[in-house]
Amino acid sequence: SSVLTQPPSVSVAPGRTADITCEVSNVGTKSVHWYQQKPGQAPVLVMHYKSDRRSEIPERFSGSNSGNTATLTISRVEAGDEADYYCQVWDDSIKHILFGGGTKLTVL
Amino acid sequence: EVQLMESGGDFVQPGGSLRLSCAASGFTFSNYDMSWVRQAPGKGLEWVSAVGGSGGYTHYADSVKGRVIVSRDNSKNTLYLQINSLRAEDTALYYCVKDSEVGFDCWGQGTLVTVSS
Repeated sequence: SSVLTQPPSVSVAPGRTADITCEVSNVGTKSVHWYQQKPGQAPVLVMHYKSDRRSEIPERFSGSNSGNTATLTISRVEAGDEADYYCQVWDDSIKHILFGGGTKLTVL
Repeated sequence: EVQLMESGGDFVQPGGSLRLSCAASGFTFSNYDMSWVRQAPGKGLEWVSAVGGSGGYTHYADSVKGRVIVSRDNSKNTLYLQINSLRAEDTALYYCVKDSEVGFDCWGQGTLVTVSS
């Protein structure tokens, strides 16, 4: 089965680029999805499958995959991007949906 | 507008039971798999259970398997989660989620389950 590992926190200055990683063991051909959760709100899907951004999400958000690591990149970071970010996959071998532990993005 | 509205959360004693409900609107409910995802206070997201669009299959996280039953009534556009033998570690905000096959594209606002003596 898979395990998803995210850094607990990432800090970035406004206007800079934030990279949030998700290491997926046994990644195979798994599709990695990304969610943003702001305090007191439900999560929102920001990136799905192979780096496809949802239409209502700013173009500053992008996704990529390399080897066993999926990355959510936020360019020109704004204060409003401060949130928790979670990666998620469907592990077909155990018929489970898995979430990473989450990364808290702090805008300095 | 796609909407999911959970209900049924409550304060219960350990060993008790609850049935959570989720009323869906704004989409053809029977066409979509649905899931329950929970979030303990101050913690991350944890998937709990999923059910196919027709109700033909169900999947459960190991942490709840044997204590939880997910079901749906497509005639009422409603998703359910029956949780038995509740434990303190089941305390969480429970989200109803629509699965678009390319991710969970719609989340409810959640219903709070608190398990304590």
